[in-house]
This record gives sequence, C-alpha cells and structure tokens, in this order.
Amino acid sequence: GQQVMQIPQYQHVQEGEDFTTYCNSSTTLSNIQWYKQRPGGHPVFLIQLVKSGEVKKQKRLTFQFGEAKKNSSLHITATQTTDVGTYFCAGDNAGNMLTFGGGTRLMVKP
Amino acid sequence: ETGVTQTPRHLVMGMTNKKSLKCEQHLGHNAMYWYKQSAKKPLELMFVYNFKEQTENNSVPSRFSPECPNSSHLFLHLHTLQPEDSALYLCASSRDPGFSGNTIYFGEGSWLTVV
Repeated sequence: GQQVMQIPQYQHVQEGEDFTTYCNSSTTLSNIQWYKQRPGGHPVFLIQLVKSGEVKKQKRLTFQFGEAKKNSSLHITATQTTDVGTYFCAGDNAGNMLTFGGGTRLMVKP
Repeated sequence: ETGVTQTPRHLVMGMTNKKSLKCEQHLGHNAMYWYKQSAKKPLELMFVYNFKEQTENNSVPSRFSPECPNSSHLFLHLHTLQPEDSALYLCASSRDPGFSGNTIYFGEGSWLTVV
C-alpha cells in the first residue's frame, strides 16, 4: 500500500533559525496536504498542493511539491516559538484514502 | 471551535469497564473517521465511515467497536481495553474520502487512560 515517510522525526532549532521537513511518498500523488498540531492540540489543515513543482507561501512558511509529485517539503524561515508543534504531511493518491506521514516535531529554543 | 466536537475530553477506565467516546460534526460532511495517536504511531487510522457505511477497518482489535448512526455522529465503544490502548483518540470528518483534495477536519480529541 501507499507509504508516506517524513524526516526528520524531531528537530530542535534556536529561535530565528530556519527549519525544513521533508515528505516522501512511495507512489505518485494527486495532491499533498500539510497539517500542524500544536502541543496538546489537534491537527489543523494548513495547505494543499496539487500541481507538479508547485510552490506556495504562507508568511514565513514555504511549501513545495516535487516535479514527480512524490515528495514535498515545508520550510519555515526565521522560526518563532509560535511555530512549535508537529507538522504532518498527508498524501492523496487519486481518490484513495489520505495517508499521513509520521510527522516532524519542531521544538524552538527562545 | 473546530466543527467537530468530541466527548469526553478525558477518560480514565479500568480494563473491565465499558465506555464510549462520542463525536459530532457540524460541517455537513459525509465521511467520519477515528484515528489513534500515540508516541509509537503518531496518526493511526482506525475506522472510516462514508455515508454511514463503514469503508475502512485497519485491523483494529474487536475491543474497539465503532457505530455511526448518521453522517453527523460517530461513536467508539470501548470494552476490556488494555493499558497499551491508552492514547489520544481523534475523531475527524471530511467531505468525501474518495474525492481528490479531501481535507480532514479533526476534533480536539479524547485522552484515554486505561488502568
């Protein structure tokens, strides 16, 4: 079945440093979604990427979908303590069940 | 307010107890889900209901029994659980699991502790 892997599993950064999490799918995706879960909270939808090579930005967050539509990345510029949480990617394989990656837990030292 | 409401938020139960988790969605969605979240498996899909019909059961032990009386309500009945079942149980809903671009809306979760 479809597998979605995320790396790294954990990341500690100093406030102000950049952060990137990577997502890789075993199959070609029709689209990819990103979710954020704050500590003690629940996953919340951030964004969806559909087109090959697509890049979308939300303030300091940049999301990218690979040319082959099998990988994606989330990059945060100049992290802040409010960025703390676990970031999940989720791959959609043309109408099949959405498959979540294992998540990357981001910790930011003030 | 997420549009998906779960009760109770916290539950402590003994291994011989029977309890239920309740979920209600106010988003007009057709699909509802139960996920289990623990340190070992961050987001583990348990069950999916689409238009009240169960479409996915990811090899979940029978001590977990879902019930979906309509598209807005979902229950998870719990009996003879084990301590390793302690986890955060997340209910979620979406428009249609077979629809490309299907976004999942999660509830705040029910923290379950089995003693």
